[in-house]
Amino acid sequence: EPEVTQTPSHQVTQMGQEVILRCVPISNHLYFYWYRQILGQKVEFLVSFYNNEISEKSEIFDDQFSVERPDGSNFTLKIRSTKLEDSAMYFCASSEASGSSYNSPLHFGNGTRLTVT
Amino acid sequence: AQSVAQPEDQVNVAEGNPLTVKCTYSVSGNPYLFWYVQYPNRGLQFLLKYITGDNLVKGSYGFEAEFNKSQTSFHLKKPSALVSDSALYFCAVRDKRGGNKLTFGTGTQLKVEL
Repeated sequence: EPEVTQTPSHQVTQMGQEVILRCVPISNHLYFYWYRQILGQKVEFLVSFYNNEISEKSEIFDDQFSVERPDGSNFTLKIRSTKLEDSAMYFCASSEASGSSYNSPLHFGNGTRLTVT
Repeated sequence: AQSVAQPEDQVNVAEGNPLTVKCTYSVSGNPYLFWYVQYPNRGLQFLLKYITGDNLVKGSYGFEAEFNKSQTSFHLKKPSALVSDSALYFCAVRDKRGGNKLTFGTGTQLKVEL
């Protein structure tokens, strides 16, 4: 079964540094998402991406964050200047766009654990 | 705005007994409802969804969920729990007016004991 893959599985960085989290969505999916989960608690929406542009973003997704689809397979989340409170598990997800996209579940990767020290 | 409530942080059940994990939702239009399961250090795995039609939907690993429009609920159920069902369960909702994103509840930790 096709999977969403995320690298690295764990990233440690110092406060103020830039990090890039990488994701390879399922190949025939056209909607891409980033979510985060702090301390195994609530799963929070960050951003959705479709047709090479952001379709929706949350209040969390401020100017420090950006997303990009640099080629036909990767989808990245960049945090420009990390803060301690950015420490979390970051999940990439993708979903189909065929038919009604509202019917399609999101398929999640296993996440990148970001630790900011 | 769309939202989901999972009123129980934890549910404990004995193996072989039926289990219910509760979820209520709030949307402005017709709801698209989903259940996900998360095992430690893993991503969220899709279990089942309700879009339209029969109020009882069946999903993976013997789970099912019942949609109740009047009570705005979508409780997850399983007739006979297994120890291996122990995990964190998330209810999620999508509303067309809320875009394509899923909004998740706070999660319910299910513990199945021998």
